[in-house]
Amino acid sequence: GAGVSQSPRYKVAKRGQDVALRCDPISGHVSLFWYQQALGQGPEFLTYFQNEAQLDKSGLPSDRFFAERPEGSVSTLKIQRTQQEDSAVYLCASSLDPGSYEQYFGPGTRLTVT
Amino acid sequence: GESVGLHLPTLSVQEGDNSIINCAYSNSASDYFIWYKQESGKGPQFIIDIRSNMDKRQGQRVTVLLNKTVKHLSLQIAATQPGDSAVYFCAETPNTGFQKLVFGTGTRLLVSP
Repeated sequence: GAGVSQSPRYKVAKRGQDVALRCDPISGHVSLFWYQQALGQGPEFLTYFQNEAQLDKSGLPSDRFFAERPEGSVSTLKIQRTQQEDSAVYLCASSLDPGSYEQYFGPGTRLTVT
Repeated sequence: GESVGLHLPTLSVQEGDNSIINCAYSNSASDYFIWYKQESGKGPQFIIDIRSNMDKRQGQRVTVLLNKTVKHLSLQIAATQPGDSAVYFCAETPNTGFQKLVFGTGTRLLVSP
């Protein structure tokens, strides 16, 4: 079927605003990851879901970042009270099961905080 | 599309040349090492992987070499084509029970026709 999709592709937020970024993983994929990619850098792990359970959120940079995957499919990454340092590309990836290391990435959401 | 990175190490080659992209990794306990290709405005795309108990693996036009002694990984691309122009990242999976990826510093490959 279709690959991983993310929306919106671009988001401009004023400092202090809340944003919500959506990820639609490949159907049937158990594992879902969020990564943050700053300009000129490799992606950095934020959080991991196995179905609806968030098993690792060690990469979330602050308590302003919150992610959910309530039905084990679509996931939302929410950032409250955005700051300029939150400007980055947010990538979502899914994989078939926890043991699979081949992750399929979406195109990312480019967040710019002004 | 937008640029993935503006200040990455860059490798410039002519079409038809062979390219070698290098990467140093940090965790000797990692299970798998993976190369990803990222084109401007897109997410990373899986190219090839190698398990930690191997030292070489070949794919179509690509070969990955793993040197665990010096924690070094390389990606060789044969007969490089303009469509290979992208940023290349190595990644490792630190054996956390699920396959979280830890990415290295990328290299921009520029292929001139």
